[in-house]
Amino acid sequence: DAKTTQPTSMDCAEGRAANLPCNHSTISGNEYVYWYRQIHSQGPQYIIHGLKNNETNEMASLIITEDRKSSTLILPHATLRDTAVYYCIVRGFYGGSQGNLIFGKGTKLSVKP
Amino acid sequence: KAGVTQTPRYLIKTRGQQVTLSCSPISGHRSVSWYQQTPGQGLQFLFEYFSETQRNKGNFPGRFSGRQFSNSRSEMNVSTLELGDSALYLCASSFRVTIGSGANVLTFGAGSRLTVL
Repeated sequence: DAKTTQPTSMDCAEGRAANLPCNHSTISGNEYVYWYRQIHSQGPQYIIHGLKNNETNEMASLIITEDRKSSTLILPHATLRDTAVYYCIVRGFYGGSQGNLIFGKGTKLSVKP
Repeated sequence: KAGVTQTPRYLIKTRGQQVTLSCSPISGHRSVSWYQQTPGQGLQFLFEYFSETQRNKGNFPGRFSGRQFSNSRSEMNVSTLELGDSALYLCASSFRVTIGSGANVLTFGAGSRLTVL
């Protein structure tokens, strides 16, 4: 699976959009980009995933560059409850174990009033 | 729809003891994965089960073991506990695990926090 690089930490003002970048320059054609977040001492929570196209759901938007080498997770109106560690994970859909996700150190997002 | 349930939520053991943690996946999910989370190492994959068979194992000593039952519920066991085994143990379930196209989304439980004294 391709390696991902994320900033260690970011701050965001409450009510503003939070844009979290992720670099995955070695991504291959059959690998998805997943985003999870972990609020302190809770289990990770799935946010969104994408392959080539931009995706949006009730939680966030995912923008993937045309060359797929980087992506941005957008929380449109951040609230204090969005303070968490955000993980960008690249995982292929080819065989074997699909439950083995490689979590890096992620980005610690702090939403401030 | 009930989420992933892990029991117990908190437990304290002493060195040398063993511990068994339980995980009930979301109804219909047949794949269960286990992770260990520590401040120093972050989230690390332990093993994954599907249809009562271990499909993959992370880089952990043999003291760490698991199993899955016919109803997809899973347990993990750590024998001869060491201080370094103190961690949050997380279980995740998913619907698909097979070869083929399509994404695979994991749903995590709240975890079992183990303290080894």
